[in-house]
Amino acid sequence: EAGVVQSPRYKIIEKKQPVAFWCNPISGHNTLYWYLQNLGQGPELLIRYENEEAVDDSQLPKDRFSAERLKGVDSTLKIQPAELGDSAVYLCASSPPYPDDTQYFGPGTRLTVL
Amino acid sequence: QKEVEQDPGPLSVPEGAIVSLNCTYSNSAFQYFMWYRQYSRKGPELLMYTYSSGNKEDGRFTAQVDKSSKYISLFIRDSQPSDSATYLCAMSAGAAGNKLTFGGGTRVLVKP
Repeated sequence: EAGVVQSPRYKIIEKKQPVAFWCNPISGHNTLYWYLQNLGQGPELLIRYENEEAVDDSQLPKDRFSAERLKGVDSTLKIQPAELGDSAVYLCASSPPYPDDTQYFGPGTRLTVL
Repeated sequence: QKEVEQDPGPLSVPEGAIVSLNCTYSNSAFQYFMWYRQYSRKGPELLMYTYSSGNKEDGRFTAQVDKSSKYISLFIRDSQPSDSATYLCAMSAGAAGNKLTFGGGTRVLVKP
């Protein structure tokens, strides 16, 4: 079974530029998460989707971050404009329906903002 | 103060030793407790999943939860160089599919 797929794996941009990350969850997983992981820290939730619906986006900085999950499968996370402090790893995770709701993580996209 | 505290390490042990990791937390609503392993440039991988207090064993790994002390532990027996990674504790008030709150991770190095 294929795991969570993320692309690109690495991205370098200049500040004020836009950037987008893509995630393809494990087949059959209805819940999708985007996390932010700074160096030396644990992941922090940005947004959680149940199918197409964003059920928890309280930690998403909505002035510059946006996300979508069309058709309840793939998801895109966008930053516009990027700031120096956005340099981090952006992780996508997915989980199957309850009761086995373990979160499975992708390899992440490492963003560097210059 | 963070909700979940974890010593960043690094923790260096010789091959074959027991690795002892722990986290403390402040939110008494946490009911589900997990340990993830994260290799460099990879995403976290679930190792252990425990509900409420008690012990759980899986091969060389043992997870302990003491809710009265708000303290969880992970023990790795007969450590191998392949166990060298960062270990993250995570917990949630709801089920594992809900919002996870992670510790900062402990970097472990097992020397041959």
